[in-house]
Amino acid sequence: GAGVSQSPSNKVTEKGKDVELRCDPISGHTALYWYRQSLGQGLEFLIYFQGNSAPDKSGLPSDRFSAERTGGSVSTLTIQRTQQEDSAVYLCASSLRTGGVEQFFGPGTRLTVL
Amino acid sequence: RKEVEQDPGPFNVPEGATVAFNCTYSNSASQSFFWYRQDCRKEPKLLMSVYSSGNEDGRFTAQLNRASQYISLLIRDSKLSDSATYLCVVRYNTDKLIFGTGTRLQVFP
Repeated sequence: GAGVSQSPSNKVTEKGKDVELRCDPISGHTALYWYRQSLGQGLEFLIYFQGNSAPDKSGLPSDRFSAERTGGSVSTLTIQRTQQEDSAVYLCASSLRTGGVEQFFGPGTRLTVL
Repeated sequence: RKEVEQDPGPFNVPEGATVAFNCTYSNSASQSFFWYRQDCRKEPKLLMSVYSSGNEDGRFTAQLNRASQYISLLIRDSKLSDSATYLCVVRYNTDKLIFGTGTRLQVFP
């Protein structure tokens, strides 16, 4: 079956613009996670959803970052007033449920802020 | 200090060699442990979970020492296709995963 998909695969934007990144989890997966990976850095947790609610959004780096999930499926990560330090690969993962089961990652969106 | 620390490498080994990676974690409340593999410019994929008793999957053996807060991965009979970055991953009592920065392995002919 289809894996986690993300769009766009690449996004180049100018500093100060808003961007929206989309994640389609594996069908039937109730948990959805956002991470980002900067050059030379490990993956950094941003937020996760159980259904449509976000029990842990502790990793969002500033109030310019927000995410939502609707219908227990698609999720959108929005970055407002982008800064150069936001440049990274944004990875989405989903799992069948919470509780330590395997998280399956999408291919990521490579964001470049000029 | 990073929550999960790994030697970044690279480890350059010939085919057939045995190679070991180590990882330490700082939070004793960590509950679950994993090794993920990430190929260049690809997404991470689960290689194996790590259990307290140690576990093996083919050529790969993972070990956990909770007292020392230390995790290891041993790869025997290295293949060219094992070349990748190996990520040590820890989960606390929430569902977020904490990743190390990875250890790069390059297997040469």
